[in-house]
Amino acid sequence: AQSVAQPEDQVNVAEGNPLTVKCTYSVSGNPYLFWYVQYPNRGLQFLLKYITGDNLVKGSYGFEAEFNKSQTSFHLKKPSALVSDSALYFCAVRDDRGSTLGRLYFGRGTQLTVWP
Amino acid sequence: GAGVSQSPSNKVTEKGKDVELRCDPISGHTALYWYRQRLGQGLEFLIYFQGNSAPDKSGLPSDRFSAERTGESVSTLTIQRTQQEDSAVYLCASSLGTGETQYFGPGTRLLVL
Repeated sequence: AQSVAQPEDQVNVAEGNPLTVKCTYSVSGNPYLFWYVQYPNRGLQFLLKYITGDNLVKGSYGFEAEFNKSQTSFHLKKPSALVSDSALYFCAVRDDRGSTLGRLYFGRGTQLTVWP
Repeated sequence: GAGVSQSPSNKVTEKGKDVELRCDPISGHTALYWYRQRLGQGLEFLIYFQGNSAPDKSGLPSDRFSAERTGESVSTLTIQRTQQEDSAVYLCASSLGTGETQYFGPGTRLLVL
């Protein structure tokens, strides 16, 4: 079965420090992995995705994520956090096999707070 | 270009009433999705349209929920005889095709009293 786990409900970091938001997944076939960010009262904004190729993916606003197949993880990272990065972050996966090709499976979200 | 738009942005209704939520996808996107986001939870898949293929309705929680899409344009999600547990944000997304990046609208916040 397809699923996504975000083990931390909240992540707090000081501005200027590196940040990591964790994500692990489970799929039947090969994973297509995504990170989205949600600001208050807004829809989800696409940050980055992994389909194939280089395990390190770079996305919007200086974010990057590393795909680790052996650990079934896709952690979101940023070298230097900004207060404006404070938001709710969602990891999502799509399976490349089976009858659920169209849908994304989302984690519960991680609230990132960056302190000035 | 314009992103995904949804209307209304907020809807308050009484238990037992029917509601219709609208989604305008990005022009040229053949795939359209509906998700539900309950407070403090992740997104829950509801339904998926791809071109002229039969929609994937497997995520609809009950027969009170239905959705339609006209060609590759507007979609309407209808909830009949609303219940308090239907209160949530309903998000629509579209993509160029199956497997492509999904782009989300701002959502419709539904409150059932």
